[in-house]
Amino acid sequence: ETGVTQSPTHLIKTRGQQVTLRCSSQSGHNTVSWYQQALGQGPQFIFQYYREEENGRGNFPPRFSGLQFPNYSSELNVNALELDDSALYLCASSLTSGALGETQYFGPGTRLLVL
Amino acid sequence: AQKITQTQPGMFVQEKEAVTLDCTYDTSDPSYGLFWYKQPSSGEMIFLIYQGSYDQQNATEGRYSLNFQKARKSANLVISASQLGDSAMYFCAMREVTSGGSYIPTFGRGTSLIVHP
Repeated sequence: ETGVTQSPTHLIKTRGQQVTLRCSSQSGHNTVSWYQQALGQGPQFIFQYYREEENGRGNFPPRFSGLQFPNYSSELNVNALELDDSALYLCASSLTSGALGETQYFGPGTRLLVL
Repeated sequence: AQKITQTQPGMFVQEKEAVTLDCTYDTSDPSYGLFWYKQPSSGEMIFLIYQGSYDQQNATEGRYSLNFQKARKSANLVISASQLGDSAMYFCAMREVTSGGSYIPTFGRGTSLIVHP
């Protein structure tokens, strides 16, 4: 069974650029969530996708957007990058989105540095 | 107000000893879930243990147990017989249901645990 994978592992961008991060969910999982983790902080929930539809969003501006594909893999897109977007971006997949206790399986993350 | 508070930025424990990592939470929703995750320096978050708000018994998973005190809104993680490989960041998290029916998780700022021989 393949776990959650993310690409790229590291990325350097400059302010104002756009970035796309990718996530492949664990086999059989139809729900993907994205988190931003700034240095020294806990992860902050960005949004969740269930069967290709966004079904939950945290307090992030619209320049953070996402997609989920029919194979349940997902992309996180960030437009007009700001210095504060520098963080570890974590993707997590789960079997479903419908239970409070649903276990999420995290990928290794993408480290984004915005200069 | 912080939804999840972890007051210990760092903890030290001797190998083979037990350690308690503190977590308090704030919610007015009667239905919620509490989680603990471990994050080694590699960055990947590893699920450890879950406690539902309606669960009567404290959750246990191997060497991990969750000391759930609902009235005090605390969900402390107890690690028994610490091992050197337990050195990592530990995050407490809560999942609540929104008015739209989706589940939104909130994480604390974490506690760094160092296990020394």
